[in-house]
Amino acid sequence: GAVVSQHPSRVICKSGTSVKIECRSLDFQATTMFWYRQFPKQSLMLMATSNEGSKATYEQGVEKDKFLINHASLTLSTLTVTSAHPEDSSFYICSAERGETQYFGPGTRLLVL
Amino acid sequence: GQQVMQIPQYQHVQEGEDFTTYCNSSTTLSNIQWYKQRPGGHPVFLIQLVKSGEVKKQKRLTFQFGEAKKNSSLHITATQTTDVGTYFCAGNAGGTSYGKLTFGQGTILTVHP
Repeated sequence: GAVVSQHPSRVICKSGTSVKIECRSLDFQATTMFWYRQFPKQSLMLMATSNEGSKATYEQGVEKDKFLINHASLTLSTLTVTSAHPEDSSFYICSAERGETQYFGPGTRLLVL
Repeated sequence: GQQVMQIPQYQHVQEGEDFTTYCNSSTTLSNIQWYKQRPGGHPVFLIQLVKSGEVKKQKRLTFQFGEAKKNSSLHITATQTTDVGTYFCAGNAGGTSYGKLTFGQGTILTVHP
């Protein structure tokens, strides 16, 4: 149990385009999901907390207008990287909270050309 | 804000040797969690420690939570090549930040056969 999926697993896009990443909890409902970003050989940095039915809470330094988060249901949160630039290239990972444990999705590798 | 420091950054061992990674938080934690990330993969939950001075074992892995609930360690006895990966600790400050994890920098473990 406690499976989290992400789609797509990899995406390459041109600079200036927007990319949507989906995070789904497959076998449980998650009121809270989290979005992280991980650069190569670095740790996970929390970007925002996604709460079902309410606005996301963004960490300091994360632009909410650039990284749009929607948590429309108890099993789906989406992260949209708007007007992507090469510096947005990274590994984006979501997690879904079940009890006191976070279960991570497989991640999405974004490359912006 | 809360900071979680993890050392060492890298550890190279011969198969059969022991391995330890240490984690220190700048603030008292509600709980601490440990994750393992294989190369190219996503973090996988290993364990959560909640109580002061708690010690938990999972086969060859021993996890400790300090008395002050500010530090933790992961010890692997007789490493195997399957132990290769990055081990992250993640601190949960609790209170209004409950659920938000602050990750340490991770320790990259390499095991030579």
